[in-house]
Amino acid sequence: DIVMTQSPDSLAVSLGERATINCKSSQSVLFNSDSKNYLAWFQQKPGQPPKLLFYWASTRESGVPGRFIAGGSGTDFTLTISSLQVEDVAVYYCQQYFNTPFTFGQGTKLEIK
Amino acid sequence: EVRLVESGGGLVQPGRSLRLSCAASEFTFDDYALHWVRQAPGKGLEWVSGISYNSKSIAYADSVKGRFTISRDNAKNSLYLQMNSLRAEDTALYYCGTSTHSSDYHDAFNVWGQGTMVTVSS
Repeated sequence: DIVMTQSPDSLAVSLGERATINCKSSQSVLFNSDSKNYLAWFQQKPGQPPKLLFYWASTRESGVPGRFIAGGSGTDFTLTISSLQVEDVAVYYCQQYFNTPFTFGQGTKLEIK
Repeated sequence: EVRLVESGGGLVQPGRSLRLSCAASEFTFDDYALHWVRQAPGKGLEWVSGISYNSKSIAYADSVKGRFTISRDNAKNSLYLQMNSLRAEDTALYYCGTSTHSSDYHDAFNVWGQGTMVTVSS
């Protein structure tokens, strides 16, 4: 199984400041045939299902604000919020869908400092 | 708007069975793969099982393999999860999810239901 490891486990950032979450996979999720990284980012707020933010590692889902930026390739990925807003307080997960089981990272809890 | 609605959760004793359902609306159900993801109280997300649009590709997490069975009825726009030999550690909120980006099994889930709670306890 591919193990997904996020860092940090929790993060406190001031409003308007940058927040960065890292995600590392135990093996590459880059499929050479289509040059796509099979990596997604989700945001989950209390009492709600996860919301897809990015797929193919860096493709922003429709409706996701531009302050959310994602990138990386192979085994190392990042999610950045360029200017933290109150509504961004949530838990963030990465997930690989390269191989079953489609494993998630343990989650990163983002709070306001 | 594409919608997924889970049902069938509840309180069940260890060793017993439960069948979850996920009803879909407002999209061409039989074009898309579907998945179950669970979340134990206060914990992270765990992918449980997935099924391709035509049921030819099916996979399970090791933690449920041999106990859970995923299936779908495209005529009824419904996804199912038959859960047997339930254990306390199966207690979780069970979500169904799908990607409407493509019919590929390997795609990110952009549509999720609200979940149905399963509690395994004596």
